[in-house]
Parts: sequence; structure tokens; C-alpha cells
Amino acid sequence: KAGVTQTPRYLIKTRGQQVTLSCSPISGHRSVSWYQQTPGQGLQFLFEYFSETQRNKGNFPGRFSGRQFSNSRSEMNVSTLELGDSALYLCASSLERQGGGYTFGSGTRLTVV
Amino acid sequence: AQRVTQPEKLLSVFKGAPVELKCNYSYSGSPELFWYVQYSRQRLQLLLRHISRESIKGFTADLNKGETSFHLKKPFAQEEDSAMYYCALAPRFGNEKLTFGTGTRLTIIP
Repeated sequence: KAGVTQTPRYLIKTRGQQVTLSCSPISGHRSVSWYQQTPGQGLQFLFEYFSETQRNKGNFPGRFSGRQFSNSRSEMNVSTLELGDSALYLCASSLERQGGGYTFGSGTRLTVV
Repeated sequence: AQRVTQPEKLLSVFKGAPVELKCNYSYSGSPELFWYVQYSRQRLQLLLRHISRESIKGFTADLNKGETSFHLKKPFAQEEDSAMYYCALAPRFGNEKLTFGTGTRLTIIP
């Protein structure tokens, strides 16, 4: 079966712009989580959605937002991009309502210039 | 609050030697612990979880609640074990997030 699909794979944006990243979970998975991965900070939790509801949110500014659709696909949006937002953004899906047996996507590499 | 600590950022081990990647956690409730691995140019993937008590690719990890540790071990390192390893914690009950440690880069020296 298809894995977790993230689009696009690469993005280059300029400061001040906004960006939307997409994640399609494994079929049947209703939990989707987003993480920011950087060399210095490792994996930082952004937010988690389950059945279209945000269950958890990490310590990121309000410029970072997300949503989940009825088919479990999820998007995250970053407005007013800053240079420090350059990172690999990972999406993970899970069949379970809780716990961490996640399947990760390949990520979207965002570069802000 | 939950916290995962991996004290070693880098670890180099000779092929055939034993490997131990350290992980300590802080959590007041009942935790579920995981090890994730990221090989070069591949996506992050689940290696093992403590509740399943499996041995994957020769790796094992035992949850020590007294020492709040979940160290990853393998008796004989292989070159293909070179990768980034992340320890992670999720509450067994409740809706809190999966929290990762900062990771350990393991390099196996031929």
C-alpha cells in the first residue's frame, strides 16, 4: 500500500512569503502529525490532527498553522516566512488514536532566502 | 512535561563490536518508548517499540523504569547500521504528542 506522501519535495521561498505543504497519510490512518527537522534542534513537534481536529500543538508561533480534511489529508501553512523557517518538514501518520507508532513521509525541504 | 535525552550526538563503533545507544526519559505517567532510525537519504522509520519486545535487525531495547532508560543495544555492529537514531516517547494514555530526543549519529568503522 502507498506510504505517506508529502508534496512538494522541495521549495524555495523568499522572506515574507507564505507557503502551504501537503501530506497524504496512509489509507485508513486518521492521525497526522507534523514535525520540523533541523540539524541544530532535531525533530520539533508542530501539531497533530485526528479526525479533522487539532489534538496537540507545539511551541511554534502563530505563523504556523495546519488543518486536516475529511479524507485525512493534511496541510500546514507558514505565513510571513523567516530565514529560520528553513528546515525539513516531516509528516507522519498513525492508525492509532494515541501512541507513537508513526509512519513518516520523505518530507518537504523548505529553503527561505 | 515529557522529555527524552540522548546524551551522545555522535558514536563511532568498530564493525563486530557491541553497540549501545543511550536514551533516558522523563515522564510522570505511563510511557510508551520507541526507537526510530534514519538511514542516509531515506525517510525516518520505526525501528522498534518497547511494548512489542521485538528484536529488529539484531537490535533490542529494554525499558528500565527504575532508571528511566530505554537504551538500544546490538551485540555485533554491522556497517549497514550506520545511521541517525532517535529515541521517542509517547504517553500510553491520553492525547499528548510523540516527543523525540535529539538523536545519535552512529558510524560503524569497517
